[in-house]
Amino acid sequence: AQTVTQSQPEMSVQEAETVTLSCTYDTSESDYYLFWYKQPPSRQMILVIRQEAYKQQNATENRFSVNFQKAAKSFSLKISDSQLGDAAMYFCAYRRSNFGNEKLTFGTGTRLTIIP
Amino acid sequence: DVKVTQSSRYLVKRTGEKVFLECVQDMDHENMFWYRQDPGLGLRLIYFSYDVKMKEKGDIPEGYSVSREKKERFSLILESASTNQTSMYLCASSFSDRESQPQHFGDGTRLSIL
Repeated sequence: AQTVTQSQPEMSVQEAETVTLSCTYDTSESDYYLFWYKQPPSRQMILVIRQEAYKQQNATENRFSVNFQKAAKSFSLKISDSQLGDAAMYFCAYRRSNFGNEKLTFGTGTRLTIIP
Repeated sequence: DVKVTQSSRYLVKRTGEKVFLECVQDMDHENMFWYRQDPGLGLRLIYFSYDVKMKEKGDIPEGYSVSREKKERFSLILESASTNQTSMYLCASSFSDRESQPQHFGDGTRLSIL
């Protein structure tokens, strides 16, 4: 079974600085997808960034980027120029590559605090 | 934008009651999911459905059932609520024919069983 591990229950960063959230996963599959979701205090979970395992290039979305290390099964999220609105729970998630009806396996989350 | 609507933000019920949590999505998504979220445990899948009247057990289906009579609506049923089912419940939906498509989530229902 696939597992996703987020070893940092809480992180904090000074506003405008850069922070990296770690995520490791375990799978025997060669093709899969990885996601970072953000859950602000208002509670709606929203997608931050996604990575297809077959792509070597790391995904980037504005201030958010990932460091995808397939051999090491690592998928960290880097947030640059942190803003107060980045404060949230961040969840790493894994999904097998199969027509979109496969379930997501989530990590336990990292609570990110932004210090003004 | 995709809209996933959960019928209640907060709900308080008593042990032994039958509880219905409703979820509606407006994007014609084939897949729908129910998760529960607990501190330190992340999100755990209860049930999912990839078509009308179809359902699959997730990781923690015990004590729950689901119903999907229409494509846009997915209901989670607690047959006889117990205190250990006090939790945050999240509904999500997604397309099934587009790889890497993300799941879209509702606001969640915080359920307390007294």
